[in-house]
Amino acid sequence: KAGVTQTPRYLIKTRGQQVTLSCSPISGHRSVSWYQQTPGQGLQFLFEYFSETQRNKGNFPGRFSGRQFSNSRSEMNVSTLELGDSALYLCASSRDSTYEQYFGPGTRLTVT
Amino acid sequence: GENVEQHPSTLSVQEGDSAVIKCTYSDSASNYFPWYKQELGKGPQLIIDIRSNVGEKKDQRIAVTLNKTAKHFSLHITETQPEDSAVYFCAASIKGEDDKIIFGKGTRLHILP
Repeated sequence: KAGVTQTPRYLIKTRGQQVTLSCSPISGHRSVSWYQQTPGQGLQFLFEYFSETQRNKGNFPGRFSGRQFSNSRSEMNVSTLELGDSALYLCASSRDSTYEQYFGPGTRLTVT
Repeated sequence: GENVEQHPSTLSVQEGDSAVIKCTYSDSASNYFPWYKQELGKGPQLIIDIRSNVGEKKDQRIAVTLNKTAKHFSLHITETQPEDSAVYFCAASIKGEDDKIIFGKGTRLHILP
């Protein structure tokens, strides 16, 4: 069974630009969560989608948004990029909220 | 909201010895406590988890204990091996509500030859 996949794996953007990251969950998984990982703040919850609906959201500004498609694939978008947005963005999937989550390899975003 | 504290931030143990990582959580409603291992360049990998209706769980060389009263949970790795070197994260969540996980800051484990 294929694991969680994320594309692209690496990305370099300029301050002020926007970026879209993609996540394909494990087959059969309907919940997709996004996390930001930085050396200073660790792993922080961004938001979670289940059956195309955002079920929970972390404490991030409105520049961070996401969506989920009918096939459970998810995208997250960051607009007006800032230098502090440089991080590893991780996606995790689960069958639903009663089951364990599995993480993808992440997308390394660098903002210059 | 939930807050998870993890100690120590760095741990060095001799190969073959045991390693213990401790975490505390603040929200008594949390009922699910996973542990993740993250190697360089990879995403976190679930290595063991425990739910609040269980006090201890073991999987080969790895065990996790939970004290709900004290809101403490710990990871124990016995007979450590070089491949155990990684960053370990504890976490807490309320299963059944949503999939939001609150993570500790991580422990970098070094296994010394």
